[in-house]
Amino acid sequence: DIQMTQSPSSVSASVGDRVTITCRASQGIGSWLAWYQQKPGQAPRLLIYASSSLQSGVPSRFSGSGSGTEFSLTISGLQPEDFATYYCQQANSLPWTFGQGTKVEIK
Amino acid sequence: QVQLVQSGAEVRKPGSSVNISCKASGDTFTSHTISWVRRAPGQGLEWMGKIIPVLGITNYAQKFQGRVTIIADKPTNTVFMVVTRLRPQDTAVYFCAREILVGRNWLDPWGQGTLVTVSS
Repeated sequence: DIQMTQSPSSVSASVGDRVTITCRASQGIGSWLAWYQQKPGQAPRLLIYASSSLQSGVPSRFSGSGSGTEFSLTISGLQPEDFATYYCQQANSLPWTFGQGTKVEIK
Repeated sequence: QVQLVQSGAEVRKPGSSVNISCKASGDTFTSHTISWVRRAPGQGLEWMGKIIPVLGITNYAQKFQGRVTIIADKPTNTVFMVVTRLRPQDTAVYFCAREILVGRNWLDPWGQGTLVTVSS
């Protein structure tokens, strides 16, 4: 199975900050990576797919980049509704695997 | 716009089974794949398996092979997941999610989640 490692596991930030989360795959996955946002008591929501494509309805302050084994999610201008846990997921090969999550907390 | 609505919370004893449903509304899911993902307390997301309802083809994570069964009822647009031989470590919120194909398969949207508590 492909192992996905996210860093940091948590980050404290203020409204308006720029936040970057990193995801590393244990082997090359091309651009087959997604990012999800999950708030407490809610289902995950797809933000980014294919490394950098913004899902419909997702604000443009979210952006993704990377290929191969190194990927990142950037939130430019953190908003109050962005405080949540973020997961990366590889879709290169089954089983789909997720990173352990990064919690974005209010500073 | 498709919505996935899951069945309600369940409490089970160790060794028993649970059946969780996921009903699609607003669209038929026959042309899409439905995956199941769980999140145990304090843990991350874990993919369990999936089904292509129109074909009845399933694929399971090796960890769940033999203990999880996913089936689809096409007339009612409902997918079911049965987990047998439950243990306390299976306590988790279980989500169904539709796979959308854009190059690869991505999970969107997701059901609201079903809490399964396994306790004696």
